[in-house]
Amino acid sequence: GESVGLHLPTLSVQEGDNSIINCAYSNSASDYFIWYKQESGKGPQFIIDIRSNMDKRQGQRVTVLLNKTVKHLSLQIAATQPGDSAVYFCAENLYANQAGTALIFGKGTTLSVSS
Amino acid sequence: DSGVTQTPKHLITATGQRVTLRCSPRSGDLSVYWYQQSLDQGLQFLIQYYNGEERAKGNILERFSAQQFPDLHSELNLSSLELGDSALYFCASSVGLVERQFFGPGTRLTVL
Repeated sequence: GESVGLHLPTLSVQEGDNSIINCAYSNSASDYFIWYKQESGKGPQFIIDIRSNMDKRQGQRVTVLLNKTVKHLSLQIAATQPGDSAVYFCAENLYANQAGTALIFGKGTTLSVSS
Repeated sequence: DSGVTQTPKHLITATGQRVTLRCSPRSGDLSVYWYQQSLDQGLQFLIQYYNGEERAKGNILERFSAQQFPDLHSELNLSSLELGDSALYFCASSVGLVERQFFGPGTRLTVL
C-alpha cells in the first residue's frame, strides 16, 4: 500500500541551530502535503502545507521543500527552540484532483532540542 | 486550543461493547475527519465527511461507522470492540475538502 516514510526516527539539535526533518513519499500522484507537530498527550498541530504546484513554501521560522522528481519532502526549522521539541509527522493526500483528503502519515521524527 | 472539541476525553469499556465518540468541528469548517493513533500502527486516517457526505475513506473497519449531522458535528461508532481497538481517536476539521486540518484533543479508548 501507499506509505510515507521518514529518514530518521530521532533528531537531536542544540538551541539556536537550524533543524531539517526529511520525508520520502511514495505516491507520485499525491498533490497535497502537510507537516504536523505532536507534543506528548496532545493532538497533532498544523505547521505548514504545500501543494504539488509549488516546490517551496515559507511560514514563520519554518520552510517546506517539495522535490517531486525524487518524491522528497523536508521541513526546515530556523533557530530551533526548546519548545520545538516534539514528534513531527509528514503526510500526503492519496486523493488527487481535490476530490477529498485521505492523509497518509509517516511514522514521525522525534526532535529533541537541548539548551 | 484548535477549536475542535471531542467528548469524552477518556473511555474505558469491555470487549464486545459499542461506544460512540463525538466531535464538534471549528466554527465554519465543513469537513470532519477521524483518525486512530496507536503505538504499533501510528496515525491512521479513517474517514472524511464534508457537509454531511462521506468524501474519503481509509482503512476503516466494518465494525466502525461514522456520520456527520446537519449541524456538522460528527460521531464515530465503534462496535464489537476488541482489545486491539484500544487507541487514541482524533477528530480533525477543515474549511474545505483539501485544506489544513485542525485536530481535537482526542479520545483515549481503553478496551479491557
